[in-house]
Amino acid sequence: DQQVKQNSPSLSVQEGRISILNCDYTNSMFDYFLWYKKYPAEGPTFLISISSIKDKNEDGRFTVFLNKSAKHLSLHIVPSQPGDSAVYFCAPRDSGAGSYQLTFGKGTKLSVIP
Amino acid sequence: DAMVIQNPRYQVTQFGKPVTLSCSQTLNHNVMYWYQQKSSQAPKLLFHYYDKDFNNEADTPDNFQSRRPNTSFCFLDIRSPGLGDAAMYLCATSKIRDRGSEQYFGPGTRLTVT
Repeated sequence: DQQVKQNSPSLSVQEGRISILNCDYTNSMFDYFLWYKKYPAEGPTFLISISSIKDKNEDGRFTVFLNKSAKHLSLHIVPSQPGDSAVYFCAPRDSGAGSYQLTFGKGTKLSVIP
Repeated sequence: DAMVIQNPRYQVTQFGKPVTLSCSQTLNHNVMYWYQQKSSQAPKLLFHYYDKDFNNEADTPDNFQSRRPNTSFCFLDIRSPGLGDAAMYLCATSKIRDRGSEQYFGPGTRLTVT
């Protein structure tokens, strides 16, 4: 049973346009949400996070939006650059005893076309 | 640069032949994790060490073991690899074990079982 769903395995966007990556979750105990970025032949690296007490967190070109009632979050990249081409993982944490754990989605492969 | 190092990057083993993957870190982090990621799947936590305290996930097969002889090193032992164990194995570290503690990943070891 997938607790974290990234329903788009891949996404292609023109350079300079907005990239929107979506993530849905089912576990209502999740209260901290992280996005990781992974280039080929490298491990995932932390990108941005949001706590459930917020509905938006912005860091430069990256903004994450959280809709708790819909159990949905999205990562916006604006403007998209070719260097953003990577796999993006949504990784929530829960508020319980296992709060150190990351529950990863399957990832969305973003391709930014020059 | 402080980092998480995994050796080897590619490992080929035979069906049933024990294999050991290694991870080292220069971050001096207290927690080390091992994840398994099969093709097009989400990374899945196998177990972690919090200092010397070993924590196994409930659904991690007995075939997988781990050792942490000191703060810097952690090993993943697969006692009798099956074809289904072919995957990318990711090592990660975090300073502490809580919700806000970012995990730093190594580049992974891709295991092939023949």
